Amino acid sequence: GESVGLHLPTLSVQEGDNSIINCAYSNSASDYFIWYKQESGKGPQFIIDIRSNMDKRQGQRVTVLLNKTVKHLSLQIAATQPGDSAVYFCAEISFNQFYFGTGTSLTVIP
Amino acid sequence: KAGVTQTPRYLIKTRGQQVTLSCSPISGHRSVSWYQQTPGQGLQFLFEYFSETQRNKGNFPGRFSGRQFSNSRSEMNVSTLELGDSALYLCASRKGTSADTQYFGPGTRLTVL
Repeated sequence: GESVGLHLPTLSVQEGDNSIINCAYSNSASDYFIWYKQESGKGPQFIIDIRSNMDKRQGQRVTVLLNKTVKHLSLQIAATQPGDSAVYFCAEISFNQFYFGTGTSLTVIP
Repeated sequence: KAGVTQTPRYLIKTRGQQVTLSCSPISGHRSVSWYQQTPGQGLQFLFEYFSETQRNKGNFPGRFSGRQFSNSRSEMNVSTLELGDSALYLCASRKGTSADTQYFGPGTRLTVL
């Protein structure tokens, strides 16, 4: 029968290409944002964070962009590898509370 | 530094039973939060403890409860289990009250039969 539940947005990319995962947040008062990666059967793993007084932050192969005007957050992964296949969540922190997006499922095609 | 640890990793119970899950935060972290993750609802906040006090609570029935000990370790308890309680229960810790980064444990997979 038909399964009922969250239908995660999905993104498929070729190995070596760059990936961009997007997230819209809801609260303009949110002052801190985090991207997490969750592999099957594991807990979410911290990737990168950004404070609201910044619009860009770079890590190792990852970049987070924050556009407060349109309340949009993105995660860019350079040279995507098979090990990057996972579900990616954004989290916004507002008044010390964490709010999570539904996630995007990234599949890397070898 | 050791990460967040959760025990047990897997648990099978039957309806009506109760269960206790345990979480040890990262050393030096005083805040512990619990989340329920299911395919149907995603990641849902249960509660947060800081210095042995419940600071925030999500929208879950009273069957879900928790506590925190003086060493910051935390337990959550679910009584009168229902089939719908089957989920991955995640614990996350962070240093304190400011907007610190939150780190997750591997989770406890609870199956209710």
